Amino acid sequence: KAGVTQTPRYLIKTRGQQVTLSCSPISGHRSVSWYQQTPGQGLQFLFEYFSETQRNKGNFPGRFSGRQFSNSRSEMNVSTLELGDSALYLCASSLAGGGSYNEQFFGPGTRLTVL
Amino acid sequence: TQLLEQSPQFLSIQEGENLTVYCNSSSVFSSLQWYRQEPGEGPVLLVTVVTGGEVKKLKRLTFQFGDARKDSSLHITAAQPGDTGLYLCAGVGTTDSWGKLQFGAGTQVVVTP
Repeated sequence: KAGVTQTPRYLIKTRGQQVTLSCSPISGHRSVSWYQQTPGQGLQFLFEYFSETQRNKGNFPGRFSGRQFSNSRSEMNVSTLELGDSALYLCASSLAGGGSYNEQFFGPGTRLTVL
Repeated sequence: TQLLEQSPQFLSIQEGENLTVYCNSSSVFSSLQWYRQEPGEGPVLLVTVVTGGEVKKLKRLTFQFGDARKDSSLHITAAQPGDTGLYLCAGVGTTDSWGKLQFGAGTQVVVTP
């Protein structure tokens, strides 16, 4: 079974631009979660989508948004990029996204650098 | 927010030695997961522990969930260079948990031959 894929793997943008990252979950998984990983803050939860609906959201500004398509693929968008948005963005998929056995499987991440 | 504290932050040992990583919180979690992450890659799930007092073994790795479901430990016996990586614990909260894992800051383990 193919794992979680993320595209692109690397991105370089300048301040003020916007960016869209893509995530394809494991086949059959309907929940997709997004995380931001930085050396200072570690892994921080951004949001989760299930059946095209956002069910949960972390403490990030409204510049961070996402969506999920009917095939469970997900995208996240960051508008008006700031230097502090430079990070590894990870998506993770799981079967249902809830409960004790909320086992999440991560993609390789997209490394975003904002200049 | 349910915080998870990992210790130590960094561990450097020789091949063949044992090591233990701790993950502690003042909050109760539905479950705890352990991941290992290598540079430039996403975290890879090692194990999920759900029941208080549960012990799981994965070859040379032993995972324990505290009786009160607030803490967990990872013990590696006879470490090998291939065990090098960032070890992360992640908790599933008892509320507000849809698709959300609360991560510890991680323990960087380096095993030298």
